[in-house]
Amino acid sequence: TQLLEQSPQFLSIQEGENLTVYCNSSSVFSSLQWYRQEPGEGPVLLVTVVTGGEVKKLKRLTFQFGDARKDSSLHITAAQPGDTGLYLCAGVTNNQGGKLIFGQGTELSVKP
Amino acid sequence: KAGVTQTPRYLIKTRGQQVTLSCSPISGHRSVSWYQQTPGQGLQFLFEYFSETQRNKGNFPGRFSGRQFSNSRSEMNVSTLELGDSALYLCASSPDPSGLSEQFFGPGTRLTVL
Repeated sequence: TQLLEQSPQFLSIQEGENLTVYCNSSSVFSSLQWYRQEPGEGPVLLVTVVTGGEVKKLKRLTFQFGDARKDSSLHITAAQPGDTGLYLCAGVTNNQGGKLIFGQGTELSVKP
Repeated sequence: KAGVTQTPRYLIKTRGQQVTLSCSPISGHRSVSWYQQTPGQGLQFLFEYFSETQRNKGNFPGRFSGRQFSNSRSEMNVSTLELGDSALYLCASSPDPSGLSEQFFGPGTRLTVL
């Protein structure tokens, strides 16, 4: 069982559409991070959220941390082919000894 | 500032062999974490080293080991390789222990076990 469940696992959309990726857990996280990984490269950090209810925006990407700090979402507005990649959420929870725990990832494909 | 470098980038081994992977963190970073990434399991935490001491360990068998040198460079070793060890092995560095600050990932070493 994954500590962090991401959904959907795969997403294929047309350029210009909106999408939301979810990251859920039954555990409370002291912080949660979102990464993007392209083929042949390591993940690159997009954002870190630490406060329950926090919303952060990065151009067309909006990240939200749940009030109870157990879940998070990533919303992309007007997706572009350059958004294609693997999106990973990762969190730090006290009952895992401070380790960074990753979700399985969402493979996003944006077609022109 | 140079990023995290990992060597080699690609490696092919046969079952039963052993392998050593190397990671050079960003200059000034003292924490190095290792992850195994496979399509089925995603990113799984292997271990973290901070100032030459293993700070955290994931749920992997003892065949997986690592170490960190005084210059913060790190190596991981897998002995008696199994087919299931085929994966992308990622190294990440950060200035502080991984839970406290951003981690910067290297490009990974793609290990194939035949």
